[in-house]
Amino acid sequence: DAGVIQSPRHEVTEMGQEVTLRCKPISGHDYLFWYRQTMMRGLELLIYFNNNVPIDDSGMPEDRFSAKMPNASFSTLKIQPSEPRDSAVYFCASSLVAGVDTQYFGPGTRLTVL
Amino acid sequence: KQEVTQIPAALSVPEGENLVLNCSFTDSAIYNLQWFRQDPGKGLTSLLLIQSSQREQTSGRLNASLDKSSGRSTLYIAASQPGDSATYLCAVWGGGADGLTFGKGTHLIIQP
Repeated sequence: DAGVIQSPRHEVTEMGQEVTLRCKPISGHDYLFWYRQTMMRGLELLIYFNNNVPIDDSGMPEDRFSAKMPNASFSTLKIQPSEPRDSAVYFCASSLVAGVDTQYFGPGTRLTVL
Repeated sequence: KQEVTQIPAALSVPEGENLVLNCSFTDSAIYNLQWFRQDPGKGLTSLLLIQSSQREQTSGRLNASLDKSSGRSTLYIAASQPGDSATYLCAVWGGGADGLTFGKGTHLIIQP
């Protein structure tokens, strides 16, 4: 398996623009997670899905953030409108069973909002 | 809310030494604890996962222990090598909305 795939790897955009990050989990994994990593706050869970259904989005910072999982092999994290404080590395991860199995992380998307 | 603390924040040791990284968590009601490795500009690689009912896990030169009642875990690295240089992250799974809570990591440098 190719592992968790994220695109783009790097994104530079201007404040106010819409940003869409994409993730393809490992085939057969029922859980998908979105994390954000910054120097100040470290790694934070934003939202996670089980069988394409959002379980909890309490980590999503604001209404500007939204995540979808239309099918088992694809998820998006959208920021609209983007702000400079959204600059971070966004990771997607997947696992077979949450709380039991290892989470496998993608390479991340480095987002810079100017 | 679960909090995870890792000590030390940074560590530099000569090659060949055995070393211990520490992790503590505030809420002992966890399902499992994971240790990850992160190389600069890269994603996270899972090293060891310890279920709440287990006391330790071993993989090669790595050994992780878990004392759930005291809220502590240690990662032991034997015979360190320059290739072990990375940031090591500890994370606990509390279930439900808590998801996986990470510590800030220990930045490890192994001097050749």
